[in-house]
Order: sequence, then structure tokens, then C-alpha cells
Amino acid sequence: QKEVEQNSGPLSVPEGAIASLNCTYSDRGSQSFFWYRQYSGKSPELIMFIYSNGDKEDGRFTAQLNKASQYVSLLIRDSQPSDSATYLCAVNSDSWGKLQFGAGTQVVVTP
Amino acid sequence: SAVISQKPSRDICQRGTSLTIQCQVDSQVTMMFWYRQQPGQSLTLIATANQGSEATYESGFVIDKFPISRPNLTFSTLTVSNMSPEDSSIYLCSVFSGLSTEAFFGQGTRLTVV
Repeated sequence: QKEVEQNSGPLSVPEGAIASLNCTYSDRGSQSFFWYRQYSGKSPELIMFIYSNGDKEDGRFTAQLNKASQYVSLLIRDSQPSDSATYLCAVNSDSWGKLQFGAGTQVVVTP
Repeated sequence: SAVISQKPSRDICQRGTSLTIQCQVDSQVTMMFWYRQQPGQSLTLIATANQGSEATYESGFVIDKFPISRPNLTFSTLTVSNMSPEDSSIYLCSVFSGLSTEAFFGQGTRLTVV
């Protein structure tokens, strides 16, 4: 059974601070990794994807991947109230795009 | 990137009836995916729809309950059959852009069964 695990939260973060979200996965054959943001009642929107070990930065977001540890994380710098949402970690283990999702981490940014 | 149009965006249905959800993509894609998101839960893959062949269903999902059509490379439908309140969920279609390794989602269909 392939699994993707995240802390459900809520993760409370003061405005301007760094939010750190973690995700572990069980399938060593996983090839690419995604972070989605989902506002309540909306469909998921892609924030970042990563497929090589190391860090990938895009604006205030940094994804970190460690395949040896089967671990992927997302850092949100200078957190804003608009970042309050559920963040879904997703893992792709084939070349066709079938994703397995974690349960999501709820982030609450407090002014 | 891919633009996905999904409809209806929401519906309220009587138990025992069926609803067909449509998903239209603005480019040709090999695989289309249907997910379900139950209230307060994450996304669970229902099935993979490949043009010209039967859909492949994940464990816990069966064709009689969730028949899928994939008549061409830009369109798919998912039918939720003989609905019960437990089928109340958001249903999402998704495609994967192999060139950019991104997965894109439709706007979702919020289904309430009463």
C-alpha cells in the first residue's frame, strides 16, 4: 500500500514568519512530487513541483526533496493571511500522472 | 499548461438517481484522471481514463457505480450512479502534462445527494 503522510495540523503561523510543512512517502519508485494549495470549497491549485533532490525556490515558496529519506517539504517565507489554506502533498509514481495525495496540512496565518 | 472545463460545477440530486460530470480539455492528452474528495478529506483517485480502452479503477471503485467514457483525447465523462448521501463529495478531473510534469485540475463538481 503506497502511502503519503502529512501532519493534519492546523499549523498556526504568525504573519511574516516561516511555515514549514512536511510530507513522507512510502514508494521508493516515486518520481515527482507536488505541493497543492486548496482553499475551502475550491479545487487544488499547484504551487510547486520537484523531482530532483535538493531545493527548488519559487518566490516565497521553497520545496525540498530528499529521496533517500523519502521526504519532501514546503517552506513558505513571509507568511501572509492569504496563505491560510490546506496544503496537499502529492506523489507521482508513474509517467502518466496518477497522483497519490496526503491528507493535507491546514495552515492558519494569524495577523 | 492545460485548461480544463468541468461541468456542472455543483448539483443537488435525489438519492437513487445518476449524475454525469463532463470534463473538457483544451489540448489532447493521453490519460485523464477522476478524483473524489469527500468532506474534510483529501483526494482519492477513482479511475484512470484512457482513450480507446476501458477505464482502470482503483481499489474500492467499480465500473457499475462510476462508469466512465473517454470518446476522444480531449473529453471524458464520469457518471455517479444510483446515488446515496455517501456519494456527496467534490469530484475532480485531472490531466497530466508530461512535458512540464504538472498535473492540472478542473474546477470540480460539488455533489450533494439528498
